[in-house]
Amino acid sequence: ETGVTQSPTHLIKTRGQQVTLRCSSQSGHNTVSWYQQALGQGPQFIFQYYREEENGRGNFPPRFSGLQFPNYSSELNVNALELDDSALYLCASSLDSRPETQYFGPGTRLLVL
Amino acid sequence: ILNVEQSPQSLHVQEGDSTNFTCSFPSSNFYALHWYRWETAKSPEALFVMTLNGDEKKKGQISATLNTKEGYSYLYIKGSQPEDSATYLCAFDTGGGNKLTFGTGTQLKVEL
Repeated sequence: ETGVTQSPTHLIKTRGQQVTLRCSSQSGHNTVSWYQQALGQGPQFIFQYYREEENGRGNFPPRFSGLQFPNYSSELNVNALELDDSALYLCASSLDSRPETQYFGPGTRLLVL
Repeated sequence: ILNVEQSPQSLHVQEGDSTNFTCSFPSSNFYALHWYRWETAKSPEALFVMTLNGDEKKKGQISATLNTKEGYSYLYIKGSQPEDSATYLCAFDTGGGNKLTFGTGTQLKVEL
């Protein structure tokens, strides 16, 4: 196991609603990245946080936002949900001393109706 | 937009067969190439991080090679076992920091 957990495992929302997904990393993992995997696609980079500050963003609109907390947990928030936001959302974290190795969570599957 | 391609999309082999997959990536702005193994209902698991042209890495019966000049990496599995059944993803890193661009993966099914 990677030691990274995500909650909830599954979620159903309707278009226009807001959702918060959570990720809990191992102690000392100061970097957390979030990815979206749509059906039939590879994971796409959403954004990354380092020590509670955003540290890079992929091609996603501002309604995708995040937070990282001092206890190595983090959140992905999505406002004004659209049907195309239906996907598996993965978080991944890494240690400062071994930044090249990311530990992924099992993901949250979001369905937007 | 970076384009990372993997082939084949899926593969069915018999137990004991050896197999290989390809990952193609842009040959410019290369920093690292990652391979992940992802079993159904589990978390993706890091296999290799490769940074140098000509690199070869091995983990048990799985090995990988890297050619950064021509933009490809091969993943080999020698003597496949049913427990090797998984999706194998490669991911391209342009500047460090693990802001990865993934391929769509190769889904391997090893049958008895």
